[in-house]
Amino acid sequence: QLQLQESGPGLVKPSETLSLTCHVSGGSISSSHYYWGWIRQPPGEGLEWIGSIYNTGNTHYNPSLKSRVTISVDTFKNQFSLRLNSVTAADTALYYCARHQDVVATTPFDYWGQGTLVTVSS
Amino acid sequence: DIQMTQSPSSLSASVGDRVTITCQASQDIRNYLNWYQQKSGKAPKLLIYDASNLEIGVPSRFSGSGSGTDFTFTISRLQPEDTAIYYCQQNNNLPITFGQGTRLEIK
Repeated sequence: QLQLQESGPGLVKPSETLSLTCHVSGGSISSSHYYWGWIRQPPGEGLEWIGSIYNTGNTHYNPSLKSRVTISVDTFKNQFSLRLNSVTAADTALYYCARHQDVVATTPFDYWGQGTLVTVSS
Repeated sequence: DIQMTQSPSSLSASVGDRVTITCQASQDIRNYLNWYQQKSGKAPKLLIYDASNLEIGVPSRFSGSGSGTDFTFTISRLQPEDTAIYYCQQNNNLPITFGQGTRLEIK
């Protein structure tokens, strides 16, 4: 059974960089044909797509965050990562990693991690 | 960006009721519309993809329909475990966008 697990600091200071990793188990990023994505959810609010990556490193980002976001993949460790720089309180959210259903980023998310809460505060 | 508008924002219904949620896209998204269920403290779960396809393992009381800009999600016979927030999501165009959610409570 495919499982995704987010990890990273739960508290980040304003203006610093948020860094999270999603470890995938039960399946191989390098040998599978899926995009992998990050989605966030501010407390009590809705869902926002951040961006997605393929095992080749090809990425798609939400234009609203593109200037601050980098998503990367490490096929040897079977994980992908999110970096969001210059964070503010507005970036406080539950961050989820997820798998797209297919080989293109314009497909639904069929497997999700449990989510990790990141709070931006001094 | 394509804006997704769900209605109602919340509703309350009784066990056994038929419940319908609608989702409207700001432009034609063909049938690239998905529905997710998010229970309290949990990650969203894919229920319906491509407007009307039931994800494997999802009970048949859940269904979806529509194309273009107008979509409908239905629970045919509401069960207590269906208490959740339901989101629509379009993936016709990037950026992927979600509706604001519909909170469903059981009376």
